[in-house]
Amino acid sequence: DAKTTQPPSMDCAEGRAANLPCNHSTISGNEYVYWYRQIHSQGPQYIIHGLKNNETNEMASLIITEDRKSSTLILPHATLRDTAVYYCIVISFGSNYKLTFGKGTLLTVNP
Amino acid sequence: DVKVTQSSRYLVKRTGEKVFLECVQDMDHENMFWYRQDPGLGLRLIYFSYDVKMKEKGDIPEGYSVSREKKERFSLILESASTNQTSMYLCASSLPWTGEAFFGQGTRLTVV
Repeated sequence: DAKTTQPPSMDCAEGRAANLPCNHSTISGNEYVYWYRQIHSQGPQYIIHGLKNNETNEMASLIITEDRKSSTLILPHATLRDTAVYYCIVISFGSNYKLTFGKGTLLTVNP
Repeated sequence: DVKVTQSSRYLVKRTGEKVFLECVQDMDHENMFWYRQDPGLGLRLIYFSYDVKMKEKGDIPEGYSVSREKKERFSLILESASTNQTSMYLCASSLPWTGEAFFGQGTRLTVV
C-alpha cells in the first residue's frame, strides 16, 4: 500500500473550514484514499473515502487532485467536537487487505 | 446499530501472566483486526484475520498470538505479558472489499 504523509498538527477556528492535507505520491491506480478520525479515548471512526472523484457526505468533503498524489479532507464548519486526530490511509483491496494507520494530524479547533 | 465490543475497558496484569483480550462483533464481518496505540507511535497493526481460523501478521506481531474460532470473535493473546506491552489495544472489524472498519472502545492494559 502507498505511504501517506500528513502534518502532525493543525489549528482551526471554530466555525471556519478545516482543510486537512494528505500526500500520497506513490498511490497506484487501484488504491483508494480513506479518512478516519479519532476523538480522545475513543476508537477511530470512518469519515469518507474516494478513488478519483471528489466526494461529500454529511460529515466532510474529500478533494482528490487529478494526479491522485494528494488529497484534502474538508470539514466545512469546524466545531469544538471536531478536535481529534485525523488519519489519511491508502488501501489496495484484496479479500485480506491490511488496514494500517500512520500517526495522523491532530486538529485542534479553537473557540 | 453496529457494534464491536471489547471485553474489558481497563485491565491490570502481572509480568509473565498469560493475557486474553476478547473482541466480539455483531455485524457478521469477515475481517477483524487488532491494534495497539502508544503515545507518539500512532495506531499499529498487530494481527488481522479475514476468515474463521485464518490469521495474518501485521506490523508488530512479536509477543502476541491470536485466535479466531468463530466468525464473531477475535482474541488477542499475550503468552507471557511484559511491561512493554502496556498499551491501549483496539479491535476493529470490516466487510471484505471495503476500508470502512468499525472499532471497539479499546482496552487499556497495564502490565506491572
